[in-house]
Amino acid sequence: NAGVTQTPKFRILKIGQSMTLQCTQDMNHNYMYWYRQDPGMGLKLIYYSVGAGITDKGEVPNGYNVSRSTTEDFPLRLELAAPSQTSVYFCASSYQGRNSPLHFGNGTRLTVT
Amino acid sequence: GESVGLHLPTLSVQEGDNSIINCAYSNSASDYFIWYKQESGKGPQFIIDIRSNMDKRQGQRVTVLLNKTVKHLSLQIAATQPGDSAVYFCAENTPPGGGNKLTFGTGTQLKVEL
Repeated sequence: NAGVTQTPKFRILKIGQSMTLQCTQDMNHNYMYWYRQDPGMGLKLIYYSVGAGITDKGEVPNGYNVSRSTTEDFPLRLELAAPSQTSVYFCASSYQGRNSPLHFGNGTRLTVT
Repeated sequence: GESVGLHLPTLSVQEGDNSIINCAYSNSASDYFIWYKQESGKGPQFIIDIRSNMDKRQGQRVTVLLNKTVKHLSLQIAATQPGDSAVYFCAENTPPGGGNKLTFGTGTQLKVEL
């Protein structure tokens, strides 16, 4: 049972490039989330999904897109990378939508120059 | 919006001592709270959670206390070990939202001195 797995661990992008951050979980959780963590700041929710085929915006969705074609996978897409998107990105999943802890992956550290 | 804050950004303790990490929350409607541990270069790791109908919950070497009167949450770590060195942060969930409505604090750095 690997939990939540994120790839890649590190990535450097040039301004305007695009990339997909991969996230997969093997716990059969319906709920999945993407957060970003900036230095000295709390985690901010980008997008979330309550099940396959259903996604919704979080607090900071601009510049990102997601899809959820399967229960296991929840990729995050950056179409036109900007320096403001330099951050550490965490994917998480939970068993329930409420009163259920989130289980996080180990993150992707992204730098946009 | 309301936020979760921490009293102490850095806490240094001697190995073997007990640690207490504090968290103040401002939304009295919050009904679920979680403590996470984050080691350098890793994702947040779930430690313990508590619902608002409880005031204390114990795990292995950890205890979470909830004081709804003063909107205060604390994490107690017994017999602190070097492996406990990490950033600890709390999160609160305010109805009617689910995991998508968690508000995270910025964290407290716990340093364990040998």
